[in-house]
Amino acid sequence: KAGVTQTPRYLIKTRGQQVTLSCSPISGHRSVSWYQQTPGQGLQFLFEYFSETQRNKGNFPGRFSGRQFSNSRSEMNVSTLELGDSALYLCASSLVRGTSQETQYFGPGTRLLVL
Amino acid sequence: GESVGLHLPTLSVQEGDNSIINCAYSNSASDYFIWYKQESGKGPQFIIDIRSNMDKRQGQRVTVLLNKTVKHLSLQIAATQPGDSAVYFCAEITGGSYIPTFGRGTSLIVHP
Repeated sequence: KAGVTQTPRYLIKTRGQQVTLSCSPISGHRSVSWYQQTPGQGLQFLFEYFSETQRNKGNFPGRFSGRQFSNSRSEMNVSTLELGDSALYLCASSLVRGTSQETQYFGPGTRLLVL
Repeated sequence: GESVGLHLPTLSVQEGDNSIINCAYSNSASDYFIWYKQESGKGPQFIIDIRSNMDKRQGQRVTVLLNKTVKHLSLQIAATQPGDSAVYFCAEITGGSYIPTFGRGTSLIVHP
């Protein structure tokens, strides 16, 4: 069974631009969560989607948004990019219940550099 | 979780030694804890979990210990191998929120 895939793997943007990252969960998984990982703040939860609905949300500004499609694939969008948005963005999928009840499987991440 | 700067704490061991990685969690109401391993260039990988109604759980070569009194979690790796070299971090989850909070991580270096 294929793992979680994320595209693109690397991305360079400039301040003020927006970016869209994509995540394809493991087949059959319906919960998709997004995380931001930086050297300064570590790994932080962004949001979780299940059945095309945002179910949980971390403490990030509204510039960070996401959505989930009927096939469980998910995208996240960051608008008006800031230098501090440079990070590794990770997607994780699980069968039904995101973080509290079952194992999450992480993708390799998208490394975003904002210049 | 740990509060370190840009540099992660590092544990350096010899192949075959036992390793103990520690994590101080922040919320006494957290009831679910997970240890992850993250190798360079990869996403985190689940190692083992434990619920707050337990104080010890064992897996293959790994043991997690939970001390709720002092809000401390540890991961013990037996007979550490070079392939265990990675960053290890803990996550705590409070049942009401389902939002995980992650520790900063510890870099484990295993010397052959």
